[in-house]
Amino acid sequence: DADVTQTPRNRITKTGKRIMLECSQTKGHDRMYWYRQDPGLGLRLIYYSFDVKDINKGEISDGYSVSRQAQAKFSLSLESAIPNQTALYFCATSAQKAGVYTGELFFGEGSRLTVL
Amino acid sequence: GQSLEQPSEVTAVEGAIVQINCTYQTSGFYGLSWYQQHDGGAPTFLSYNGLDGLEETGRFSSFLSRSDSYGYLLLQELQMKDSASYFCAVGGNFNKFYFGSGTKLNVKP
Repeated sequence: DADVTQTPRNRITKTGKRIMLECSQTKGHDRMYWYRQDPGLGLRLIYYSFDVKDINKGEISDGYSVSRQAQAKFSLSLESAIPNQTALYFCATSAQKAGVYTGELFFGEGSRLTVL
Repeated sequence: GQSLEQPSEVTAVEGAIVQINCTYQTSGFYGLSWYQQHDGGAPTFLSYNGLDGLEETGRFSSFLSRSDSYGYLLLQELQMKDSASYFCAVGGNFNKFYFGSGTKLNVKP
C-alpha cells in the first residue's frame, strides 16, 4: 500500500460544485502539503500544515480551503469549482530527522480534477 | 517571493552525460532538492543539497553554490528510463518547498 494515499484519483465535476480531495498518510510525518500542477508551470503550493493546529496559505490559496482532521489526514476543498481549477493535485508529506531538515517530500499519486 | 529558473527541455543520447541547471531567488533559503517525474506519475525525490558542494547518489549527482544561487543535477550514463521531467525545488522558511517549472529530458537511442 502507498504511504501517501489520495482519493479520488480522478474526478470530473461541473462549475459551481463543491469538491473535496482527501489525503491520508501512514508515514507518521507531521508536515503535510497540497500542490497543484499545471503543464509548464511546475508544482505550486496551495496550503501546508505542520500539525493539526497549524495551517498556512501557500502561493495560490484563493478558491481553496483545507482541513487537517488528524495528523495523518489533510483534505483540500474547492467550495465552488471553476474551470481554471482543472489540474493535477498532489498531496505531500515531510519530516525532520533528529531535528535536521531533510529537503525531501513524499508525494501521493495525484488526483486529476476536471471542472467543466 | 520565490523564483526558480531551469531549462524547459534537454535532449541527449543514451550513455551520455547531461547537466540540468537551476538558478533561484528566495528568502530564507535552506537547501536545494531535485525530483524526477515520469509522465502520469508522482514526483520522486532524487537528492538534496543543504551545503555548498557536490552530492553523489549512483549515476546522479547534484551541486549547490549558495553564493551564486545556483545548482545543477548531473545525470551520467544516461538510460532510456531517465526520460522524464526533472524539477529543482528550494526549501525556505518553515519547511516550505517551492518548485521550478521543470526540465523535460528526452533520452534518444
